[in-house]
Formats: sequence, structure tokens, C-alpha cells
Amino acid sequence: GAVVSQHPSWVICKSGTSVKIECRSLDFQATTMFWYRQFPKQSLMLMATSNEGSKATYEQGVEKDKFLINHASLTLSTLTVTSAHPEDSSFYICSASPPGQGTRPQHFGDGTRLSIL
Amino acid sequence: GQNIDQPTEMTATEGAIVQINCTYQTSGFNGLFWYQQHAGEAPTFLSYNVLDGLEEKGRFSSFLSRSKGYSYLLLKELQMKDSASYLCAVREGGATNKLIFGTGTLLAVQP
Repeated sequence: GAVVSQHPSWVICKSGTSVKIECRSLDFQATTMFWYRQFPKQSLMLMATSNEGSKATYEQGVEKDKFLINHASLTLSTLTVTSAHPEDSSFYICSASPPGQGTRPQHFGDGTRLSIL
Repeated sequence: GQNIDQPTEMTATEGAIVQINCTYQTSGFNGLFWYQQHAGEAPTFLSYNVLDGLEEKGRFSSFLSRSKGYSYLLLKELQMKDSASYLCAVREGGATNKLIFGTGTLLAVQP
């Protein structure tokens, strides 16, 4: 079945550091990937839609200069949290669907737990 | 605006049946998904409805009424391992087909 890989799974870093998270579709090409953030005991909040070869589409309230998204190939999207601060600490998850399968579910990466000290 | 509501927490007994409800008001609709999520892990797909009615898949069933903006997930023969969060998500359709998640329901299965 469709597999999405996310890396790293865990990051701990100092305030002010920029952190890059990778999301790869391992056995299919994904023109669109999605980035979510999840705070403890809360549901997934969609941050942005990553579009291959074009700019990402950000949800209302998400700072595009803070959360940089690059989707340079059909199998890789990256999310960079720039100048991270403690309030950015969260669980970040990406997802993607194989193309041409509109009724099929999105497949999620294992998530990245980001802790900013 | 967009609104997808679920009960925050539920408790049920091992071997019993539990129904988790989801009501939604979204700008578009192209299917409703149910996911299971254990603490610290990514969501895993359980079921999908795009037409009205009941979809059955082993111990799990999901129902959809588009006119009422309502769905439920039915879990039968509950097991301890079913203790998890259950997330209802609506696919908006259109160009992006993005998923909007509900508030999530934390289910605790007791012996």
C-alpha cells in the first residue's frame, strides 16, 4: 500500500533555531501533500497544502514566512520552521494521496515531535 | 465557516458496542473519513463514506447522512486496544481535496 515517510521523528533544539522536516511518498508520486500540526489532546489542524512546482497554500492564521514549505519533486515536500520558539513545540504530521484516487484516504507520515527549549 | 464536532471523551466496556457521532458544516463536501489515532502516533485510516448509508468493515461501521451533516462510527465487540482517539474528517473537494479534521473523540475502553 501507499507509504509516506517523515523525518526526523523527534527534534529537540534551542529557541531561535530553524528546523527542517521532510515528507516523502515512497511508492507513489504526490503532486499535493498536506502539513498538519497537533497540540496535546487536540485534533489535527491543517497548516498548508504543499503543491509540487508551485507555492504552497496556507490556511488562515498560519504565517507563511514562519513555516516555509518547499515541494521540489513529486516525492518530497519539506516544512521549515524558521526561528523556532517554545510555542512552536508541537507534533507535525504530513500526508499525501496517490494521484487519480480521489476516493482513497490520505496516508500519513509517522509525525515529527518538535520540542523547542 | 467550517465546523466539525465530536464528543470530547467517551467511555465504554470491553465487549460492548459504542457509537461516536460527528456533525459537520463545511464549505464543500467530497467524502467523510474516520481515522484512529493512538497517543504519539500518526492517524490510521478506518473508513470512508461519500454516499448516504452504512459502510461495514469488520468490527467497524460508519454511517453518513449528507442532508443532516451527520456521521457516526460504530465499534462492536470492543477490545482494550480500541482505546484511542477517533477523528472524523471531511474532504472538501475542489482543486485541493484537503481534509479538515474534527475535534476528535478520546475513547477509553474499560475491563
